[in-house]
Amino acid sequence: GESVGLHLPTLSVQEGDNSIINCAYSNSASDYFIWYKQESGKGPQFIIDIRSNMDKRQGQRVTVLLNKTVKHLSLQIAATQPGDSAVYFCAGDEGGKLIFGQGTELSVKP
Amino acid sequence: DVKVTQSSRYLVKRTGEKVFLECVQDMDHENMFWYRQDPGLGLRLIYFSYDVKMKEKGDIPEGYSVSREKKERFSLILESASTNQTSMYLCASSLPSTASNTEAFFGQGTRLTVV
Repeated sequence: GESVGLHLPTLSVQEGDNSIINCAYSNSASDYFIWYKQESGKGPQFIIDIRSNMDKRQGQRVTVLLNKTVKHLSLQIAATQPGDSAVYFCAGDEGGKLIFGQGTELSVKP
Repeated sequence: DVKVTQSSRYLVKRTGEKVFLECVQDMDHENMFWYRQDPGLGLRLIYFSYDVKMKEKGDIPEGYSVSREKKERFSLILESASTNQTSMYLCASSLPSTASNTEAFFGQGTRLTVV
């Protein structure tokens, strides 16, 4: 089965800097990945997704990179803001169900 | 907008009680999921359902059961609550994997405390 893991449980960045959150997965057959943001007291919210036929996808201030060779994906947040402080999860699709990593808590210092 | 609604934000139950957690989605999604979230463990899949009256075990089904009598509703049942089931429970729904957009939409969570 799929296992998904995040490299760091916590990340602290200065406001205005770029943030990079990393994630590794085990199942080569996974063809769909999602990044979620979870603020305190709320359920996870969709940020951006990517399918395995792509290696990069951009949204508003966020970019997801997928490296299928080493089974790694990353979430890049440009010009990090205090409102970006949250726990970020990557998830990989395994036959229609999403398998989540443990999460990285991002703290933004003013 | 997709809306996934969990019936309670906070619940306190006694050991041995039978507990029902309810989840309703309004986007006609085929797939529904129950996860529990614990510090340092991320989200772990308990059960999921691809269709009405259909259910599949996730990674940690022990001590739980589910019911899906209607497409929009997916219930999680703790047959006999135990203190190690104290956790945040998250319900989610999504379109089938054959669809173009298959991200899961989450409810706000139910924080269950078993005493």
